[in-house]
Amino acid sequence: AQSVTQPDIHITVSEGASLELRCNYSYGATPYLFWYVQSPGQGLQLLLKYFSGDTLVQGIKGFEAEFKRSQSSFNLRKPSVHWSDAAEYFCAVVPNQAGTALIFGKGTTLSVSS
Amino acid sequence: NAGVMQNPRHLVRRRGQEARLRCSPMKGHSHVYWYRQLPEEGLKFMVYLQKENIIDESGMPKERFSAEFPKEGPSILRIQQVVRGDSAAYFCASSPGPPWEQYFGPGTRLTVT
Repeated sequence: AQSVTQPDIHITVSEGASLELRCNYSYGATPYLFWYVQSPGQGLQLLLKYFSGDTLVQGIKGFEAEFKRSQSSFNLRKPSVHWSDAAEYFCAVVPNQAGTALIFGKGTTLSVSS
Repeated sequence: NAGVMQNPRHLVRRRGQEARLRCSPMKGHSHVYWYRQLPEEGLKFMVYLQKENIIDESGMPKERFSAEFPKEGPSILRIQQVVRGDSAAYFCASSPGPPWEQYFGPGTRLTVT
């Protein structure tokens, strides 16, 4: 079945450590790919997107993500995590150019320890 | 530039009442999407609208739910005869059009008692 998978439900990293959140998708064509962040009780904020071109994309707040076609992955990274990065992170996909709806993964909750 | 606006932010309804959720898209955006977030199900697409048209309602429950985006005014998600299972956070997003970069509002938290 077509889906978006975020294998890690909850991750804890130390402040200042690096971070990688995993995202895999199972769609035939290269979809449009997104990462969103949600703080408790808030809406979703777009961190970055991939449509085409350079497979390493830069986003806001120091985040980046790399699209790997061979692995059907779009992992989110940050070299040094800040306490304010604690939130829930969602990978999302629009399956193809004819699509409209964002298909979301279940999310990864990030906790930051001091 | 104001972001996507949703109101009310919190809404409490008794079973059997109607709930009306409003969404004003970002300036210059003519595409509106509604999503529902349930604790065990995550974020799910409900409906996609352009001005005066429903483009894709494949995620809308078949009964009690309806949506509109009139020529003037906000988009409205309407839930008739609410039940406890409708309790959720409802998010609206907007985009200027393809390629589908969607910006989300703060959400409406609906509680059905």
